[in-house]
Amino acid sequence: GAVVSQHPSWVICKSGTSVKIECRSLDFQATTMFWYRQFPKQSLMLMATSNEGSKATYEQGVEKDKFLINHASLTLSTLTVTSAHPEDSSFYICSARDAGDYNEQFFGPGTRLTVL
Amino acid sequence: GQNIDQPTEMTATEGAIVQINCTYQTSGFNGLFWYQQHAGEAPTFLSYNVLDGLEEKGRFSSFLSRSKGYSYLLLKELQMKDSASYLCAVVDSNYQLIWGAGTKLIIKP
Repeated sequence: GAVVSQHPSWVICKSGTSVKIECRSLDFQATTMFWYRQFPKQSLMLMATSNEGSKATYEQGVEKDKFLINHASLTLSTLTVTSAHPEDSSFYICSARDAGDYNEQFFGPGTRLTVL
Repeated sequence: GQNIDQPTEMTATEGAIVQINCTYQTSGFNGLFWYQQHAGEAPTFLSYNVLDGLEEKGRFSSFLSRSKGYSYLLLKELQMKDSASYLCAVVDSNYQLIWGAGTKLIIKP
């Protein structure tokens, strides 16, 4: 159990376009989902925390108008990178917290974004 | 502030034992996780400690001392596939995960 999927696994896009990444909890209800970004050889950096049905809470330094997060249901959260630029190229990972277990986060497989 | 410290890189030999340490200073404590992350992949769960002591799970064991703000991950009978980064993460009083920078473990034949 506790499987989280992400789609797409990788995406290459031109500078200036927008990219949407989906994160789904497949066999549990996730009241909270987290979006991380990881640059090469660095640890995970939390971008935002999203709670189902409410606005996401963004970490300091993360532009909420650039990284749009929607958590419309207990099993789906989306991250849209608007007007992507090469510096947005990174590994984006989502995780989900089971409503019944407040501690552990279950990670999706990640999405590799390359902006040309 | 909140801080998680672990060594940047360690090297060990196939078949040997290695201990990866993690010290933390956080606002509150609701448990400590160890994750394994291979290059280009998402982290995978290894262990969770919330009480003091040693938790053994096959070749991997994790130890916690809350009074010392200290944990270690012990890997036995090292295999080449254990080459990866090992991430220490603490659940703080707000139930947020505070991440260490990770320890890159290099296994040599």
